[in-house]
This record gives sequence, C-alpha cells and structure tokens, in this order.
Amino acid sequence: AQSVTQLGSHVSVSEGALVLLRCNYSSSVPPYLFWYVQYPNQGLQLLLKYTSAATLVKGINGFEAEFKKSETSFHLTKPSAHMSDAAEYFCAVSDEDSNYQLIWGAGTKLIIKP
Amino acid sequence: ETGVTQTPRHLVMGMTNKKSLKCEQHLGHNAMYWYKQSAKKPLELMFVYNFKEQTENNSVPSRFSPECPNSSHLFLHLHTLQPEDSALYLCASRSLWGAGEQYFGPGTRLTVT
Repeated sequence: AQSVTQLGSHVSVSEGALVLLRCNYSSSVPPYLFWYVQYPNQGLQLLLKYTSAATLVKGINGFEAEFKKSETSFHLTKPSAHMSDAAEYFCAVSDEDSNYQLIWGAGTKLIIKP
Repeated sequence: ETGVTQTPRHLVMGMTNKKSLKCEQHLGHNAMYWYKQSAKKPLELMFVYNFKEQTENNSVPSRFSPECPNSSHLFLHLHTLQPEDSALYLCASRSLWGAGEQYFGPGTRLTVT
C-alpha cells in the first residue's frame, strides 16, 4: 500500500535560511507527487506537482522539489525563507493503485525565526 | 481563490442542532471530497463522490450525512454532533482524468458546544 512519511512534525529555520522539508513515499508503481501549503484557518493550496516530466519541479512562492526515484523522496526546498512562509506543508502521493486518490503525509509545520 | 467555495466559514452549534455545510466547485471537476482536520491529527478523508455517486465512506458516524445532487455541489448534513466533532471541515474537488491533484475550499470551522 502507498504511504507518505514527512520527517519532522515541526521545522524551524531563521529568516533568510534554506528551507528543507522532507518527504518519502512508498509506491510499487510510478507515482505522482504533490506538495500543498496550508495557512492558519485556510484550505490547502497546491504548491507544486511531479507528474513524470522533469524531476526538478518549480512551484509557487519560490519553492521547488526534486523527485529522486532511487531514494523514494520528494523533498521541498526554498533557498531563502521569508516570514510569510510560516505555514503547514503537506506531501501527498497518487498512483494507479490508489485510483489516483491522494495519500497524505501527516504534515510539517514550518516556523520562521526572525 | 474562488475555484471551490464553502459556506458557512464558521459555525457554532449545540449537540441537538441540525445544520448543513455547503461546498460548490466552479472548476468543471467530476469528483468531490469531504475531509475532517482536527488539531494535532492527520487529515482524515470522510467521503468521496465520483460523478455524484458515493464511492468511499471511511467509517464515518451516521450523524454526518453527505449529499451530492450534481457534480458541482456537495453538502454535509450534521445532526446530534459531539464535542469531538469540532474541527475544520474541508471540501475538495478534482478531475478524474488528472494526476490526482485536488483543489480545496477554505473550510468551515465547526465548534460543537
């Protein structure tokens, strides 16, 4: 069965520092992978998605993620954190076995220190 | 973002009340979802509708009753709720011919007193 693991329920970085949020997945067939962001008391917003084209995917707000099949990972990065990046981030996977239903990670809360 | 709208945004109800949550999608999608998001818990999928037909019910208590009259509208009827049902209820939609990405509404913050 598919699963998604996000390492770290909370990640704290200083403003201007590199943001790295980790996501590992399990899937026995080629996956599609997604990152979503959720600001307080709002819905989830799609940040970026991997759908088997380029392995490095660029998203909104300066975020990007790299699909690494050998590591079954899809980590989210941003070179320089802004205060406005403080939010919760969710990784999700879909594939043919799940009928393309999203399987969700538990989420990582990103805290930005001034 | 107006692709998926939800009303009301906030709802306070007593345990004996009956209320309904409404979701509308303007994206031409053919699948709709209800999720429950509680503090410090993972996102919980409640119901899935494909082409107005319910395809998934994840052991949700019968005090939650979904309704999908067409591919653009989804309701969640609530009755005799418990305080532990207080949560953010999120609606989402997707195209069944996409890669699976879902588009979310802003949610309804429900408080049961």
